[in-house]
Amino acid sequence: EPEVTQTPSHQVTQMGQEVILRCVPISNHLYFYWYRQILGQKVEFLVSFYNNEISEKSEIFDDQFSVERPDGSNFTLKIRSTKLEDSAMYFCASSEWAGELFFGEGSRLTVL
Amino acid sequence: AQTVTQSQPEMSVQEAETVTLSCTYDTSESDYYLFWYKQPPSRQMILVIRQEAYKQQNATENRFSVNFQKAAKSFSLKISDSQLGDAAMYFCAYRSAWNSGYALNFGKGTSLLVTP
Repeated sequence: EPEVTQTPSHQVTQMGQEVILRCVPISNHLYFYWYRQILGQKVEFLVSFYNNEISEKSEIFDDQFSVERPDGSNFTLKIRSTKLEDSAMYFCASSEWAGELFFGEGSRLTVL
Repeated sequence: AQTVTQSQPEMSVQEAETVTLSCTYDTSESDYYLFWYKQPPSRQMILVIRQEAYKQQNATENRFSVNFQKAAKSFSLKISDSQLGDAAMYFCAYRSAWNSGYALNFGKGTSLLVTP
């Protein structure tokens, strides 16, 4: 069964460093998303991406964040200068259109 | 922005019993989708059940069913014959049918404990 895959599963970084989280969405899906979940809290929407551009983003997704689809398969989230409060689980998801989202297993980011 | 409220942070049910998880939402839209996602300790969120707002019939998937009350903006999940494997965090989510981003808005989640 097709699935969304994310790498790395866990990344530890120093405050101020750049981080890139990678995702491979399901191949025939058109919409891609990033969510984050701070430990024990709700799942928060960051950004959605369609047709090679951002279609919606939340207040969390400020200038420190960017997304890219550098080739036909990968979908990346970059955090330019990490802060302590960026420590969270980051989930990538994809969907065909307005139906269900399929989520990856997440990338845990720890900022020291 | 649409808000999703899950008023039960934790619920407990005995194996083989039935439990209902509550969810309410706030929206001015008439067309939307509602979902229940399950997040086991392995972290990945898995779709349990979905409901299209234009459908009056409540969705069912095996032991999982919903009680969708559109006027009351309520979307509860009923789990029948609970199993140990049902223990997880359950998230209610809302998605607009026409928003170009099609993002999901999640509630804060309900942690379900299943006891033998």
